[in-house]
Amino acid sequence: ILNVEQSPQSLHVQEGDSTNFTCSFPSSNFYALHWYRWETAKSPEALFVMTLNGDEKKKGRISATLNTKEGYSYLYIKGSQPEDSATYLCAFLPGGNNAGNMLTFGGGTRLMVKP
Amino acid sequence: NAGVTQTPKFQVLKTGQSMTLQCAQDMNHEYMSWYRQDPGMGLRLIHYSVGAGITDQGEVPNGYNVSRSTTEDFPLRLLSAAPSQTSVYFCASSYNGGNEQFFGPGTRLTVL
Repeated sequence: ILNVEQSPQSLHVQEGDSTNFTCSFPSSNFYALHWYRWETAKSPEALFVMTLNGDEKKKGRISATLNTKEGYSYLYIKGSQPEDSATYLCAFLPGGNNAGNMLTFGGGTRLMVKP
Repeated sequence: NAGVTQTPKFQVLKTGQSMTLQCAQDMNHEYMSWYRQDPGMGLRLIHYSVGAGITDQGEVPNGYNVSRSTTEDFPLRLLSAAPSQTSVYFCASSYNGGNEQFFGPGTRLTVL
């Protein structure tokens, strides 16, 4: 069982605040890292798929960075809005014989943005 | 496209009963997978398939069977339900495991 950890577990911010979360994963045998956004009563939706060390991805006010050498990824939200309230999940995919097939999810960071 | 569909949405079983959770996708994805979501545990991979006729175990496969006779369908079978299998089950698909996963709406299962 691979160790994929996310911190913090939950976060309360005010509208307009910028925030960031961390996903830690094994630094060896890396294949890809995914970020998902999961709203209450809905299904997870993909934000980013990251494959290269030093990758930076951006979608609107949300961006992510990747450091495969040290085994972490950051997700940033600039100017949080109430509609950003959701749980943010990362998922690690190792390489090897089953490269890219065995996704291990972190426990998620639950973000609540107050108007 | 309907995307990934799951049936039923809700199900209550008694201990020892069997049932099949259905999952279908219309995106011609080769990779399909099943997860369970439990409080404090995140999503855990049960079984996955990289194409028709090919299935493999994930992190928590015990008590579950799968088959993949077509590209579109990936049913999950509980042979003898146990209270520990009370959970929300999500099916997902993608072009391959490394690509973004498309999730179904989930099935909430309660085993009494």
